[in-house]
Amino acid sequence: DVKVTQSSRYLVKRTGEKVFLECVQDMDHENMFWYRQDPGLGLRLIYFSYDVKMKEKGDIPEGYSVSREKKERFSLILESASTNQTSMYLCASSLWHNGGQFGYTFGSGTRLTVV
Amino acid sequence: QQQVKQSPQSLIVQKGGISIINCAYENTAFDYFPWYQQFPGKGPALLIAIRPDVSEKKEGRFTISFNKSAKQFSLHIMDSQPGDSATYFCAALGGSQGNLIFGKGTKLSVKP
Repeated sequence: DVKVTQSSRYLVKRTGEKVFLECVQDMDHENMFWYRQDPGLGLRLIYFSYDVKMKEKGDIPEGYSVSREKKERFSLILESASTNQTSMYLCASSLWHNGGQFGYTFGSGTRLTVV
Repeated sequence: QQQVKQSPQSLIVQKGGISIINCAYENTAFDYFPWYQQFPGKGPALLIAIRPDVSEKKEGRFTISFNKSAKQFSLHIMDSQPGDSATYFCAALGGSQGNLIFGKGTKLSVKP
């Protein structure tokens, strides 16, 4: 089974702190994604990466950055956490197949609270 | 053009009833339509998916109906059970939009 593992299930951080959310996948997927999930807003794409050291902005990148130094690991960084970044963060991965993406798999999520 | 519109936002169904969730899209280049199921505290998991060359796909109690001309697709859960209570997301993929596009989700509650 494809596994996408997020390092923390719950995090509580203070306003202004630098926060790192880690995600690791074990199935050699090329593509990795970070979403945030909020009630009524669904899943919103923050950043994605199609390759090592490559990153692309999603729909809501402001206040976030990412790092992909290894194929299996994709980190989301909140440079200076704010209370409006309190949310559920979901990591996902997929692979390329026949010219399209395939096999989107999600981690269990990290519920971040910024106080 | 890239949106997937999902309705209803929430749904309450009695045990044994049929749950129906609808989605609509605009981009005719989409060629893969999955549904994801998410239980509280968990990430979304692929439930069932369809490609536009078929009008229906059934897996157990879960059926996707697909109407290509109307650009709509729906999830039907037959004999709904309390264990089906979850949030369901439709999604679409294909064309120039490389990433999966999600609907906003439907929270389903199945009452005993």
